[in-house]
Amino acid sequence: SQELEQSPQSLIVQEGKNLTINCTSSKTLYGLYWYKQKYGEGLIFLMMLQKGGEEKSHEKITAKLDEKKQQSSLHITASQPSHAGIYLCGAARDRGSTLGRLYFGRGTQLTVWP
Amino acid sequence: GAVVSQHPSWVICKSGTSVKIECRSLDFQATTMFWYRQFPKQSLMLMATSNEGSKATYEQGVEKDKFLINHASLTLSTLTVTSAHPEDSSFYICSASNRRVGREAFFGQGTRLTVV
Repeated sequence: SQELEQSPQSLIVQEGKNLTINCTSSKTLYGLYWYKQKYGEGLIFLMMLQKGGEEKSHEKITAKLDEKKQQSSLHITASQPSHAGIYLCGAARDRGSTLGRLYFGRGTQLTVWP
Repeated sequence: GAVVSQHPSWVICKSGTSVKIECRSLDFQATTMFWYRQFPKQSLMLMATSNEGSKATYEQGVEKDKFLINHASLTLSTLTVTSAHPEDSSFYICSASNRRVGREAFFGQGTRLTVV
């Protein structure tokens, strides 16, 4: 089965700093999703990327999918304590996969200290 | 975004008993619902996919007789952990999707199950 590798596993940054989280797959990604999770809670949808080279932004968070559709990055500009949490990348298992049927990376634990 | 609610948020049960977890889509009809399991500091592992009115499709390695899934309506799916054991203790999360609502799956807040 396809695996998603996320890096780094954890990240501690000072408030105001920029940071990047990566998500890499050995196979083509069919729909790449970024979610944020607070420990012990559900997932909050951030962004979805589908086309090679696609880039989306929401507030201070930007996500990109490379041309080969095997790697995605999530970039946070001027981080704030509210950005703290676990960031998960998820992807569809195959091109014809049921919408929402995803497999996930292990997540990146982000801590932002003031 | 659309709202998915899980109940209960946490539950403690005795070993050997069964526990039912509910997943409801509150403001949309979920054509498909999914159940995931998450261990501490681990990824979400897809357990099964359920469509309203049909049998759930379980992922490889997931015991269907252990984890009973019922999707009786377009807004409700239930996961029953039968004859629970301490190794079933985990965080269970459901999600729901409908192409007419959006391209993403909407997640519940999760249920923390502790079997003692």
